Order: sequence, then structure tokens, then C-alpha cells
Amino acid sequence: QVQLVESGGGVVQPGGSLRLSCAASGYSFSGQGLHWVRQAPGKGLEWVAFIHYDGSNQYQVDSVKGRFTVSKDNSKNTLYLQMNSLRVEDTAVYYCVKHFGTGQNWFDSWGQGTLVIVSS
Amino acid sequence: DIVMTQSPATLSVSPGERATLSCRASQSVNSNLAWYQQKPGQAPRLLIYGASTRATGVPARFSGSGSGTEFTLTISSLQSEDFAIYYCLQYNNWPPGYTFGQGTKLEIK
Repeated sequence: QVQLVESGGGVVQPGGSLRLSCAASGYSFSGQGLHWVRQAPGKGLEWVAFIHYDGSNQYQVDSVKGRFTVSKDNSKNTLYLQMNSLRVEDTAVYYCVKHFGTGQNWFDSWGQGTLVIVSS
Repeated sequence: DIVMTQSPATLSVSPGERATLSCRASQSVNSNLAWYQQKPGQAPRLLIYGASTRATGVPARFSGSGSGTEFTLTISSLQSEDFAIYYCLQYNNWPPGYTFGQGTKLEIK
């Protein structure tokens, strides 16, 4: 059974940094890509970033390009999201989400999320 | 960018009745559409992918249809646990991006 457990959320001032982690288990971590999807309080879902199964490719939504970096450590079965230059509008629950498979590009399993609050 | 528009924003239906939720794309996404259910305080759950294929463990009362720009999620006989927010997701232009609809809140009438 796939398990994704996020951590690292918290309160940070605008302009600050935070690193989120997602510990994965129950499947071949090195064989699938992973996404970060966020949800601002009371709002809808927004895709944020993706990393290919071997880390060779990454994609981000335009609003976080140059500020957020996604990485993964296949030896630790862990996904990361390094968030720099944080803005108030980055406040959200951040979900770690498994890519279903190669050529099957929907979101599969989701973690429970970690809350990031950017506030002065 | 592809814009996904869900309607209605809120749908009030009585238990046991049928619910029909719509999702429209601003351009064709072929059958590259998924539906997710989200209950308060929980992560979204995959219901449908490929516009009409139920995910593992999803009850048969959930069905998806459509292709191109018009999609429908139908819940044939609403159970109490079905009252939630439903999101559609297009993945036709992946990479580089995905687009969610804004969600339909299904509430008890």
C-alpha cells in the first residue's frame, strides 16, 4: 500500500525559506515520478512541481519558477521541495502526490499534506 | 493555457438521488481527464481517470463520461459519504503542466 508522509511545514516570514520532505513507502520509489500540489486555505488545487523518477527532469508552475526546487533521494525514498523567497500567496497545504506511471499522467496516491503559512 | 470550468459551483441533492457534475475544457483535452473527491480535512482521492475508467476500489455508482471539451461525473445513487468537493483535472498538455477545475461542492439537500 502506497504511503506518502509530508513534513517540514510551518510559519515563515515573507522572503524566507522552508524545505518540505515527503517520505514514501509501499511502492518502487525510484520507478515513478512525484509531484507537489498545493491548496490555499478554502481554495482549490494547484499543481506546483514534478520530478522525473530518476531526477533527470523537473517542471514547475510559472509562479514558483526560480524560487522552488524539487529533488528526490532514491536512497532514502524521500522527495523534497526547497522553497525560497516565499510570498504570502504561497500559503497553502502542500501535498506530495505520486505520478501514476509513464504515459499515464494522472495523479495517483496523495499524502495528507503539510501546511505552510507565510506571514509577517 | 487550458482552463477547466466546473459547474455548478454547488449542487444540492438528496441521498439516494442522482448527481451530475460537469467539467468543460477551453480546448480539447481528448480523454485525458481525471476526477477527484475531497472531503473536509482530507487529501483528494482519485475516482476516475481516462475520463471514464474507475480507479481501484471506487464504487460502481461513480461513472465518468465525455471527451474533447465536455465531461460529466455521475453518481447514480448518493450515499452520505459522497457529499464532498469534486475536482476535475486535465493532463492532456503534460508536460509541462496540469490544470484543475475550481471544484463542485456536493451538499446534502
